[in-house]
Amino acid sequence: NAGVTQTPKFRVLKTGQSMTLLCAQDMNHEYMYWYRQDPGMGLRLIHYSVGEGTTAKGEVPDGYNVSRLKKQNFLLGLESAAPSQTSVYFCASSNLGSSYNEQFFGPGTRLTVL
Amino acid sequence: SQKIEQNSEALNIQEGKTATLTCNYTNYSPAYLQWYRQDPGRGPVFLLLIRENEKEKRKERLKVTFDTTLKQSLFHITASQPADSATYLCAKANQAGTALIFGKGTTLSVSS
Repeated sequence: NAGVTQTPKFRVLKTGQSMTLLCAQDMNHEYMYWYRQDPGMGLRLIHYSVGEGTTAKGEVPDGYNVSRLKKQNFLLGLESAAPSQTSVYFCASSNLGSSYNEQFFGPGTRLTVL
Repeated sequence: SQKIEQNSEALNIQEGKTATLTCNYTNYSPAYLQWYRQDPGRGPVFLLLIRENEKEKRKERLKVTFDTTLKQSLFHITASQPADSATYLCAKANQAGTALIFGKGTTLSVSS
């Protein structure tokens, strides 16, 4: 099993450009999450999904959109990138709720917006 | 707002000593707390989960405690090794149980 994979691993964008980050999991997990991690700020939840076709906002959703058309995939979109979105993005998945289920994380995508 | 705080950003100890990391939370008491390890350039990896009625949980050289009165969890690594050097994150579920709220982490450095 590959676990959680993220594409791409690195990306440099110019301000105003758009892009989509892809997360895929092969564990048949219901829940999927997108986080960003910045120095001194820790992991912050952007959006999450509790099942195919559902999405919900996390702590820092502004400037991002997500889609969960297939159970195994969770896409994170930036419509008009800003330098403030320079960060490391992590995707995670879990089997059912987060209270008592561990989250499995991908390797991360390092995004720089110039 | 729901908060989870890890007091120390960094902790430096010598090999063989016990490392103790602290996690404090505010507002409601979660039914579970989780601890993760993160190495540079990698995603977090789950280590332990402790339930509020467990008080203490062990896994090899790791020990976690959960004190709902103090609203605190302690994470211990006994007989620490340089390979234990990493950032350790604690997390609790939001009230709906749908997502985790992470602390900022404590970076542990074990010197030989």
